Amino acid sequence: GENVEQHPSTLSVQEGDSAVIKCTYSDSASNYFPWYKQELGKGPQLIIDIRSNVGEKKDQRIAVTLNKTAKHFSLHITETQPEDSAVYFCAASKPDTGRRALTFGSGTRLQVQP
Amino acid sequence: DAGITQSPRHKVTETGTPVTLRCHQTENHRYMYWYRQDPGHGLRLIHYSYGVKDTDKGEVSDGYSVSRSKTEDFLLTLESATSSQTSVYFCAISGSRGYTFGSGTRLTVV
Repeated sequence: GENVEQHPSTLSVQEGDSAVIKCTYSDSASNYFPWYKQELGKGPQLIIDIRSNVGEKKDQRIAVTLNKTAKHFSLHITETQPEDSAVYFCAASKPDTGRRALTFGSGTRLQVQP
Repeated sequence: DAGITQSPRHKVTETGTPVTLRCHQTENHRYMYWYRQDPGHGLRLIHYSYGVKDTDKGEVSDGYSVSRSKTEDFLLTLESATSSQTSVYFCAISGSRGYTFGSGTRLTVV
C-alpha cells in the first residue's frame, strides 16, 4: 500500500520567516496530495491540495509543489504568523478505486515564535 | 465542524468493556471514514463506508467494527476495549472539497 513520509516532525521559525515541510510518497499511482492543518483540540482542516497534473499551486501565503519524478511534494508558508502555529499533515491518495481513502504523513508541529 | 459531529467528545472506559463512538453528518455524503490519531503515526484508517450497509476495513481494523444503517450515521464499536485503543478518533466525510473531519473523540481505556 501507499506510504507517506513527512519531515521534519517539529519546526520552529521566527515570525515573518518562511517554513517548508516535505513529504515523500511510495506509490507512483497516487495523484492527489492535500495538506491539512490541525489546531489544538480540533480536527484537521484542508488548507491546500494539488493534483498530479500540475507542479505548483498557490493560495496567498501558502504554496504546494509537486515533483512526480522524485515522488515528493512540499508545503511552503511565507511570512509566517503566530496563528500559523499548528500541526500540519500531508496526505496522498490514488485514483478513485471505490475507497477514496487518504494515507497521511506523521505530521509536523510548526511553532512560529513572535 | 460544520456538517459533521462526533459523540462523545471524551470517554474513559475500562479494559474489556464495549464502546461505541458515533459520527453524524448532515451533508448526505456517500463516503465516511474512521481514523485514529496517535503521536508519531499521523492518522491511520480504521474502517470506511461507501454507502448504507457498505463498509470495508482499513489498515488498523483489528478490534474494531463499524455499522452504517443510515446515510447520516457511521458507528465505530470497540468490542472489548484494550489499552492500545487509547487514542483520538476522527470521523471524516469525503466530498467535492476533499475530506471534512469531525472534532474528534478522545478515548482513554484504563
